[in-house]
Amino acid sequence: EVQLLESGGGLVQPGGSLRLSCAASGFTFISYAMSWVRQAPGKGLEWVAAIGGGGATTHYADSVKGRFTISRDNSKNTLYLQMNFLRAEDTAVYYCAKDEETDPFFDHWGQGTLVTVSS
Amino acid sequence: AIQLTQSPSSLSASVGDRVTITCRASQGIGNALAWYQQKPGKPPQILIYDASTLESGVPLRISGSGSVTYFTLTITSLQPEDSASYFCQHYRSYPLTFGGGTKVEIK
Repeated sequence: EVQLLESGGGLVQPGGSLRLSCAASGFTFISYAMSWVRQAPGKGLEWVAAIGGGGATTHYADSVKGRFTISRDNSKNTLYLQMNFLRAEDTAVYYCAKDEETDPFFDHWGQGTLVTVSS
Repeated sequence: AIQLTQSPSSLSASVGDRVTITCRASQGIGNALAWYQQKPGKPPQILIYDASTLESGVPLRISGSGSVTYFTLTITSLQPEDSASYFCQHYRSYPLTFGGGTKVEIK
């Protein structure tokens, strides 16, 4: 059974940093691209970043480019999102999501971790 | 970036009704479109991919159609458990984007 467990969320001041983690199990982690998707309170879904299975290829939404870094440790089956220069508008539940085998839509999602950016 | 416009943003319908949600893309995306259902406090769940392929385990009363720039999600006989928000997502190219969502309520 595929499981994705996010951690690392919390309250951070504007301009601060936070690193999210997503522990994956139940599938061959290195074989799948992964993404982070966020959802501001009461709002819709926003794709944030993606990384290929080997970790060499990454993509970012314009809203986070230059501030967020997606990475993965395939030896630990873990996905990361390093978030720097956080803004109030980054407040959201952050989900990690597993890509389908050949296309970047998401067949499994974690339960999410809440990031609140506020002074 | 490719924009996805969903409509309506919300709807209220009775059990047994036929419900249709539309998703329009700002440029052609072929059939690279997925639909998700999300219930309050839960992560989204995939319903349909490749515009019309039903994910395993999804009830047959749910279907998707369309291509290029116009797509629909249809629930042929609305059930109480279909009360949720629905989102489309394109995967034609990066950046990926989602539609704004449609909240479906049961009368």
